[in-house]
Parts: sequence; C-alpha cells; structure tokens
Amino acid sequence: ETGVTQSPTHLIKTRGQQVTLRCSSQSGHNTVSWYQQALGQGPQFIFQYYREEENGRGNFPPRFSGLQFPNYSSELNVNALELDDSALYLCASSGRTSGYTDTQYFGPGTRLTVL
Amino acid sequence: DQQVKQNSPSLSVQEGRISILNCDYTNSMFDYFLWYKKYPAEGPTFLISISSIKDKNEDGRFTVFLNKSAKHLSLHIVPSQPGDSAVYFCAASGRGGADGLTFGKGTHLIIQP
Repeated sequence: ETGVTQSPTHLIKTRGQQVTLRCSSQSGHNTVSWYQQALGQGPQFIFQYYREEENGRGNFPPRFSGLQFPNYSSELNVNALELDDSALYLCASSGRTSGYTDTQYFGPGTRLTVL
Repeated sequence: DQQVKQNSPSLSVQEGRISILNCDYTNSMFDYFLWYKKYPAEGPTFLISISSIKDKNEDGRFTVFLNKSAKHLSLHIVPSQPGDSAVYFCAASGRGGADGLTFGKGTHLIIQP
C-alpha cells in the first residue's frame, strides 16, 4: 500500500510569483485535504477536494486554489505569493462514504520559502 | 480565536513512566477527535482517535480519554519510550469532516532516559 506523497520537497519563490504543489493520495482514498503549517503553529485547513470538486474551505483567500484529478491526486496553486505564505504545506488523504470523511493520513509536506 | 488548545508547549517525562498530554476545545459541534505525532521534516502520523459517543479508546500503549462536559481530552502513553519523543497535535472535526481538521499548536514531548 502506497502512502501519501508530495512534490516537490522544498521550493523557493519570490514575492508575486505563482506556485503549484502536488499530492498523490493513498491507495483507496478518494478525498484530499490541504493544510498550511507556519512555524510553531498547528496545521491550518485550506480546503478539501472530493470527486474533483471543492468540498469545504478554510479561511484562506481565493488566490489559494486547487484541483483534484480522476485518479484522486491533487494540486494546490497559490497566486501572487506573499512573504507570509512561507510555510510547510501538507496534503492529507482519506476515504469518504455516506457523507463522512474518515481519518486523514498526511504526506511529508512541501516546504515553501517566499523571498 | 483558537478552538483547539494545547496549553503545554512542552512536557518532559522519564522513560518507562506515563506521559499525559492534554487538549481543550471550545466548539460544541466537534464530534471526532484525533491525536497525531510529528517528527521534524515529516508529516503528522495518525496515532489514535475517538468519537464523541465514546469516552475512552485504547490502542496498545496509547489511550485517549474524552470528557465532553468539560470539552477536554487527553492522551496517555504507557510506558513512555525514547521513540515517543516528538510533537503531538490534538485535532478535531465536525460532523461530516468537510470543514477539515482543526489543530492545536502542539506539545513537544521529551522522553528522558
């Protein structure tokens, strides 16, 4: 059974640029959630994708957007990068049946640095 | 406004003893609670969870207790081992889970030999 994988591991961008982060979900999982973890904080929920549609969203501006593909993998896109976007970005996959999301399993994360 | 609070940034416990990590929450709509463990440069690893219909769940050395009236949960690790040294996050979700997990800031557990 393959776990959640993310790419790239590290990324350095400059303010105003755009970035795309990628996530492959764990085998058998159909739901992907993205989180932002700033230094010294717990992960914060960005959004969740189920059946290729955004299923729920946290308190993040529209310049944070995403996609889910038919194989359940996902992308997180961030436009007009700001210095405060520097963080660890975590992807989590889970199953979803009967309107409930099961336990989320996390990937290793992508460390984004914005200069 | 933190809905999930872990008030101890760090905790030091002797190897072989019990580690108790605490977590408080304010949102009455939370109905599913989880504990994750995180090593540096890795993603959080799921440890154990509990539904709001239960007050205790046990898995090997790990036990989670839920006190709904106090909006408090705790994770007990017995006996504590050196490999347990990590940051522990408490997380909660509402019914359906589409609003994602709400995390505390974490407690750094250090197991002393």
